[in-house]
Amino acid sequence: SQTIHQWPATLVQPVGSPLSLECTVEGTSNPNLYWYRQAAGRGLQLLFYSIGIDQISSEVPQNLSASRPQDRQFILSSKKLLLSDSGFYLCAWSETDPLIQYFGAGTRLSVL
Amino acid sequence: AQSVTQPDIHITVSEGASLELRCNYSYGATPYLFWYVQSPGQGLQLLLKYFSGDTLVQGIKGFEAEFKRSQSSFNLRKPSVHWSDAAEYFCAVGDSWGKLQFGAGTQVVVTP
Repeated sequence: SQTIHQWPATLVQPVGSPLSLECTVEGTSNPNLYWYRQAAGRGLQLLFYSIGIDQISSEVPQNLSASRPQDRQFILSSKKLLLSDSGFYLCAWSETDPLIQYFGAGTRLSVL
Repeated sequence: AQSVTQPDIHITVSEGASLELRCNYSYGATPYLFWYVQSPGQGLQLLLKYFSGDTLVQGIKGFEAEFKRSQSSFNLRKPSVHWSDAAEYFCAVGDSWGKLQFGAGTQVVVTP
């Protein structure tokens, strides 16, 4: 069966420090991959999605970037974190139907 | 552009009582509608979805939702709430490209 892993579960980082969040999917090949952010009191916002290796689409302008170096690996990065980057980051994947997405457990990021 | 509104940020319900969570959407075409649940420290789990056909949709964990086009609503209901239903619930609308737009969520607290 397919599983999705995200780590770390929680992260506290100072302003200006770099960021790397990793997401991997097992049990499937060539999945669509997504990064969402949930800011406090708000719904999930799609940040990036990827339909294949090195194929990344950004949905909103921001301080973050995404990369997909391998088929089932999706990385969210920042060179210098801002306070506004705090939030709950969720990775998701889908197969043939992009509307049926499966979510990881998320990473709670606090930028101080 | 699509949007989703969940009017209730927080709902408290007694165990055994009925629950209804409201969701209103804005979308130009026929919407694809979803309800997700997020338990503490976990990712989102799909409860149910509406794509077409019968406007009353049955989901997992005893939940159901009704699509009402005239009211642009997709409210979630459960006849008898269990303590394990305490969680945050998200309504979402999707387009044919697989992009999901989420509401801000409704936190459900279940009291004994």
